[in-house]
Amino acid sequence: QSVLTQPPSASGTPGQRVTFSCSGRSSNIGSKAVNWYQQLPGVAPKLLIYSNDQRPSGVPDRFSGSKSGTSASLAISGLQSEDEADYYCAVWDVSLNGWVFGGGTKLTVL
Amino acid sequence: EVQLVESGGGLVKPGESLRLSCAASGFTFSSYAMHWVRQAPGRGLEWVSSTTATSGFRFYADSVKGRFTISRDNARNSLFLQMNSLRDEDTAVYYCTRDSGDFGGALGDLWGQGILVTVSS
Repeated sequence: QSVLTQPPSASGTPGQRVTFSCSGRSSNIGSKAVNWYQQLPGVAPKLLIYSNDQRPSGVPDRFSGSKSGTSASLAISGLQSEDEADYYCAVWDVSLNGWVFGGGTKLTVL
Repeated sequence: EVQLVESGGGLVKPGESLRLSCAASGFTFSSYAMHWVRQAPGRGLEWVSSTTATSGFRFYADSVKGRFTISRDNARNSLFLQMNSLRDEDTAVYYCTRDSGDFGGALGDLWGQGILVTVSS
């Protein structure tokens, strides 16, 4: 069982806005910055959002992140078929002294 | 080209050892913390270990503590993971990843392609 809780699946239609949640605790999300990763089928993950709401160069502004208390969210607007992937949240846990990942959310574009 | 390339994976028996390597190129390797992340077949991502830029600090997941050792050779732009007493549950694709800075940054702003380690009798 993952330290961070993510719903296992989500879906949307092209053009729609979808959101993913990531729930943690005071020792991780409550005190450290959250990152989000996109993993397309069969390839390595890619950093999508860092420091809660920052996009690396090259990531479209359709992707946005936010954090409140011990929860974080990733939103994708203008959903596209190529967004179909697994999405993971991760954060440093000050109690465990290590990084923790959520179990991942599989996005299906209908 | 900025890249990370893992090597050293393969099939081993339970209890045996394996050493993974990660060759970095295209950036100043000695300025960045580095991490190992793994993914068991059909499962999610699991952090394994991290080292700061000068190896001053090393961190391990509880699942590998005492069995795995992370190290780096900044002169050779290389990261290593020595894996001893391997178990079936260590079977996974292992990714070498870069921090966005010398720790405290974002894990995984650059990823290798991954290397498969299979532990099976």
